[in-house]
Amino acid sequence: QVQLKESGPGLVQPSQTLSLTCTVSGFSLTSYHVHWVRQPPGKGLEWMGVMWSDGDTSYNSALKSRLSISRDTSKSQVFLKMSSLQTEDTATYYCAREDYGWDYWGQGVMVTVSS
Amino acid sequence: ETTVTQSPASLSMAVGEKVSISCKTSTDIDDDMNWYQQKSGEAPKLLISEGNTLRPGVPSRFSSSGYGTDFVFTINNVLLGDEGIYYCQQSDNVPLTFGAGTKLELK
Repeated sequence: QVQLKESGPGLVQPSQTLSLTCTVSGFSLTSYHVHWVRQPPGKGLEWMGVMWSDGDTSYNSALKSRLSISRDTSKSQVFLKMSSLQTEDTATYYCAREDYGWDYWGQGVMVTVSS
Repeated sequence: ETTVTQSPASLSMAVGEKVSISCKTSTDIDDDMNWYQQKSGEAPKLLISEGNTLRPGVPSRFSSSGYGTDFVFTINNVLLGDEGIYYCQQSDNVPLTFGAGTKLELK
């Protein structure tokens, strides 16, 4: 069955770089787009960027200078790297598959930016 | 960038009532609007996708309508289990954008 699972550190120090992995199963990264979205505590959803099925990427312009998304199709993994983290980057980070809407989501990983 | 304006921010309804949530977009997005339900501590769940399409397994009490810039999400005969936050999302253009959410509480 289709599954996505985010993994990464729960705590990151200010100014450091966040690295997250989305490991997928039940579908191919070359057939579906995978998005990253985040949600600060008690707040709404913010789209961060996408790994298109053809390997191209698009980013939220507000984050573009700090954000990089890549993938390893052989391992069915999509990676997110975001630099220069600040306290306002504290959020739950999700990856989600797109199929006329985001039909499958990971459980999310809570990332706290604090010294 | 397409801005999505969602209203109301919150609703308090009784079981059996009808819920209506509005989303207006700043640009014409055809019918590329998706609707999600998020329960406390969980990832959002896709209820309705582009073209006002009810997703498999989602009760027919949920529906949506709209095209262009004005969209409405409806829950008929709302149940206790429908409590949560509802988000609209436009998928017509990048950056994909969400409404701010509507918190639904049942009395």
